[in-house]
Amino acid sequence: QQQVKQSPQSLIVQKGGISIINCAYENTAFDYFPWYQQFPGKGPALLIAIRPDVSEKKEGRFTISFNKSAKQFSLHIMDSQPGDSATYFCAAGDDKIIFGKGTRLHILP
Amino acid sequence: DAGVIQSPRHEVTEMGQEVTLRCKPISGHNSLFWYRQTMMRGLELLIYFNNNVPIDDSGMPEDRFSAKMPNASFSTLKIQPSEPRDSAVYFCASSRDNLPPYNEQFFGPGTRLTVL
Repeated sequence: QQQVKQSPQSLIVQKGGISIINCAYENTAFDYFPWYQQFPGKGPALLIAIRPDVSEKKEGRFTISFNKSAKQFSLHIMDSQPGDSATYFCAAGDDKIIFGKGTRLHILP
Repeated sequence: DAGVIQSPRHEVTEMGQEVTLRCKPISGHNSLFWYRQTMMRGLELLIYFNNNVPIDDSGMPEDRFSAKMPNASFSTLKIQPSEPRDSAVYFCASSRDNLPPYNEQFFGPGTRLTVL
């Protein structure tokens, strides 16, 4: 199976709060799990990525948590800011990646 | 340093016409990807090339779609004949290689295609 399921579709968070987006995959052969951020009118850009040999990766306010046995991974945005308002895509794969449907995140000022 | 370049940025055409989208990948990147983005279907991989060779075209919707990469610095995606359901934003992306840790994909600004 090649699907990557992402939730929620949309999310509203107060400034300073924690934004959490979840993804689940089916193919146990996948070995690369990136998150992309897309602003309106722009192409997606890599935000952070993880390989399955670690359970967590943190870059600044952004953290990926990875649960290999459950085939799930999530993005946490700490101290969310209005500038974080964008669409976030999880993805999974190896030589090619399959994208989730995206989460529209809006941070209230 | 120039990123991925796509042209045109916007294209409006009538049903039945041929449409050609163009992409110049980042210099030194040897993998190139074409995606289609719609509200309903999200971001779909259409085809990807490695070292100018098509590796996986399983996402190409039907025979009306074709893609070429004649050299390392240029690729085209052609739709002939175009239909209204082809209306979408088409992205080209390139990466240094197709496997980790060099497989970060850099996306172009996209071409917004409207077929009337």
